[in-house]
Amino acid sequence: GQQVMQIPQYQHVQEGEDFTTYCNSSTTLSNIQWYKQRPGGHPVFLIQLVKSGEVKKQKRLTFQFGEAKKNSSLHITATQTTDVGTYFCAGNDYKLSFGAGTTVTVRA
Amino acid sequence: SQTIHQWPATLVQPVGSPLSLECTVEGTSNPNLYWYRQAAGRGLQLLFYSVGIGQISSEVPQNLSASRPQDRQFILSSKKLLLSDSGFYLCAWERGLAGEQYFGPGTRLTVT
Repeated sequence: GQQVMQIPQYQHVQEGEDFTTYCNSSTTLSNIQWYKQRPGGHPVFLIQLVKSGEVKKQKRLTFQFGEAKKNSSLHITATQTTDVGTYFCAGNDYKLSFGAGTTVTVRA
Repeated sequence: SQTIHQWPATLVQPVGSPLSLECTVEGTSNPNLYWYRQAAGRGLQLLFYSVGIGQISSEVPQNLSASRPQDRQFILSSKKLLLSDSGFYLCAWERGLAGEQYFGPGTRLTVT
């Protein structure tokens, strides 16, 4: 069955630095979604990527879908304390499969 | 606009007791509905999903069951809770086919 792997599991970032989290699927995806879960909260939908090689930006967040539609990345520039939380990717072939998430902590 | 409700927000239950968690969605009709469980510090495990009234698909064999008695109501149940049933239970509805999912606030269940 479809498996979605995310790395790293934990990311400790100095405020103001950039970081990237990666998502890899064992199968080709029809689309990929990203969610953010703040500590103590529930996952919140951020974005969906559909096209091969697609790049979308939301302020300091840049999302990319790989050419083979099997991997994706989330890059955050100038990390702020508001970026704290767990970021999940979710790959969609016939159903949505969530990765284990990257938990981000920020050092002020 | 669409909203999704879950209750209760927190629950502490003894081993062997029954469970009923409810999820309702407002502002949309015939949504696909999902139940997930999240262990502390872990990812999301899909438990059940439903594409319509009375239609339930189980993803993982376990101590839990789900029902959808009404279009916008999704219920998660257990006859006898186990310690391993502790976790954060999330209900979600899906916008369209292969669309994004919107999660409810969740229920934190502790089985003692």
